[in-house]
Amino acid sequence: EDQVTQSPEALRLQEGESSSLNCSYTVSGLRGLFWYRQDPGKGPEFLFTLYSAGEEKEKERLKATLTKKESFLHITAPKPEDSATYLCAVQAPSSASKIIFGSGTRLSIRP
Amino acid sequence: DAGVIQSPRHEVTEMGQEVTLRCKPISGHDYLFWYRQTMMRGLELLIYFNNNVPIDDSGMPEDRFSAKMPNASFSTLKIQPSEPRDSAVYFCASSSTGQGASYEQYFGPGTRLTVT
Repeated sequence: EDQVTQSPEALRLQEGESSSLNCSYTVSGLRGLFWYRQDPGKGPEFLFTLYSAGEEKEKERLKATLTKKESFLHITAPKPEDSATYLCAVQAPSSASKIIFGSGTRLSIRP
Repeated sequence: DAGVIQSPRHEVTEMGQEVTLRCKPISGHDYLFWYRQTMMRGLELLIYFNNNVPIDDSGMPEDRFSAKMPNASFSTLKIQPSEPRDSAVYFCASSSTGQGASYEQYFGPGTRLTVT
């Protein structure tokens, strides 16, 4: 069964304390992996797409990386405004337009 | 572009009533998705359309749920009759598969549905 597992479920960091969120997947023939950010009361907001092992994408304090079995979202020197739930998703093997979401990591940054 | 537009933003209704949620996708996008999000089950895909045609409705929980897309700029998700377990946030998303597209989906702000 195609699955996307994110860890940890929740992470609390001090402002400036760097860390990484993990997304492991079990889909055959990965086409694309997505990272989204979701703020309370809002819809998920697209961050990155990764296609092949070794690929990296950066946006401000966030960097996403991809291996053959997992992806990491590295957050460097986070600020309180980076607090959100981060969702990982993969394109379903059966249909490129359909994506399978993980349950997310709730990130909280204390000032 | 205004992004994906959903209405209403909040809906409170009594058990047994009909509920209709509305969505306007981003102009030019050819895929439209309806999701439901709860604390217990996370983000679940209910149904998606391509060029206004339903492609996969395997996530629709039961016959009480129905969705339509009469044209490229409008879709509805209807629940009839509604039940308390339908309480959730319902999201609409759209994506483009045109040349150069990478299939990422863009979400609306959601409709928070409460069934009492």
